[in-house]
Formats: sequence, structure tokens, C-alpha cells
Amino acid sequence: AQSVTQLGSHVSVSEGALVLLRCNYSSSVPPYLFWYVQYPNQGLQLLLKYTSAATLVKGINGFEAEFKKSETSFHLTKPSAHMSDAAEYFCAVSVWMDSSYKLIFGSGTRLLVRP
Amino acid sequence: DGGITQSPKYLFRKEGQNVTLSCEQNLNHDAMYWYRQDPGQGLRLIYYSQIVNDFQKGDIAEGYSVSREKKESFPLTVTSAQKNPTAFYLCASSISGGSSYEQYFGPGTRLTVT
Repeated sequence: AQSVTQLGSHVSVSEGALVLLRCNYSSSVPPYLFWYVQYPNQGLQLLLKYTSAATLVKGINGFEAEFKKSETSFHLTKPSAHMSDAAEYFCAVSVWMDSSYKLIFGSGTRLLVRP
Repeated sequence: DGGITQSPKYLFRKEGQNVTLSCEQNLNHDAMYWYRQDPGQGLRLIYYSQIVNDFQKGDIAEGYSVSREKKESFPLTVTSAQKNPTAFYLCASSISGGSSYEQYFGPGTRLTVT
């Protein structure tokens, strides 16, 4: 079965430090991959998506992610964390299931930013 | 502005009562989805609809029902048969069910059943 694994339910960084949120997927075919961000009591907002056009994908708010097929990974990074980046981040893969495409979500990583 | 609206933001119900959550979109999207979110877990798919008057069960459809009479609207009813209905419910839409199309999410409804 296709799935998404996010390593670390909580990640804590200092303001200005590198942000690295990990995502590994399992897929039998080239995947479409997404990163979403969720602020408390809000819906999800798309940060970026990989659709095979380029392995390094740039998103909003200074985030980017690199697709590595050999490692089945799609880790999210940002060079310098801001306090406003504190939120929950979800990685998702689009899979063909029951005659349609669906998103399978990881369990999420909560990013804490220390002043 | 185009987007997805969900109402109400917070909903409280007594156990044994059915409750309907509203989801409306003005993005002209064909596909709509309902997810349930519990603390520490990812999103789990309840129901989805690719076109008007058609919908399919997701992974956790038991105790829920939906309708899709209009393209813009996809209401979710949480019935008394749902064993643990307290959760955060998210509605989403996408242009179609194609694999590369991202889903756009509404602000969510937090349902508390006591």
C-alpha cells in the first residue's frame, strides 16, 4: 500500500536556524507529492507540489523541497526559520485508488520556533 | 475572492443527534472531499465526490452521509451512528480528480459531541 511517513512528530529550531522536515513515501509509480501547512484551528494551505517537472521545488514563504527518487524522500527545508513558521506541516502523496486519485497524508510534524 | 467556506466554525451537539456541516466553494471545482482530523493524526478521508450527484466512500465513511446536488455544495451529516464524532472536519476541493491537482481546503469545523 502506498503511504507517507513523516519522521518526528515535533521539531524545534531556533529563530534563524535551518528548518528540515522529513518525508518519505512509498509508491510503485512516479508520485505526485505535496507539502501543506496548517496554523492552529485553520485549514491546510499548499506550500508546494512536485509533479516531475523539476526535482527541486520552490514554494511559498521561502520553503523548498527536493525530490530524491533513490531515497524515496521529499524533505521540506527553509534556510532561516521565522517565528511565523510555527505550525503543523503535512506531507501528502497522490495515489490511484478505487478508480480515482486520492491524497494520502502523513501524520504531520509540528514545528516549534524558539526565540 | 474565490475559496471554500465551512460553517459553523464551532459546533456543539448532544450525543444521539444528527448534525450537518456545511461546505461551499466558488472555485468552479468538480471534485470535493471531506476529511476528519484528530490530534496527532493526519487527515483521514470520509467521502469524496468527483461530479454532481455522485460520491464515493472514503476510508472512514461509517456513521457519515453526504449529498452533492449542486457543484458548489457538499454537506456532510454526522449521524448518531458515528461512535466518536468529536473531531475537526475539513472540506476540500480540486479542479478534478487528476493526480497533479492540489486540493484547496476550507477553514474547518470543530465538532464537539457530549
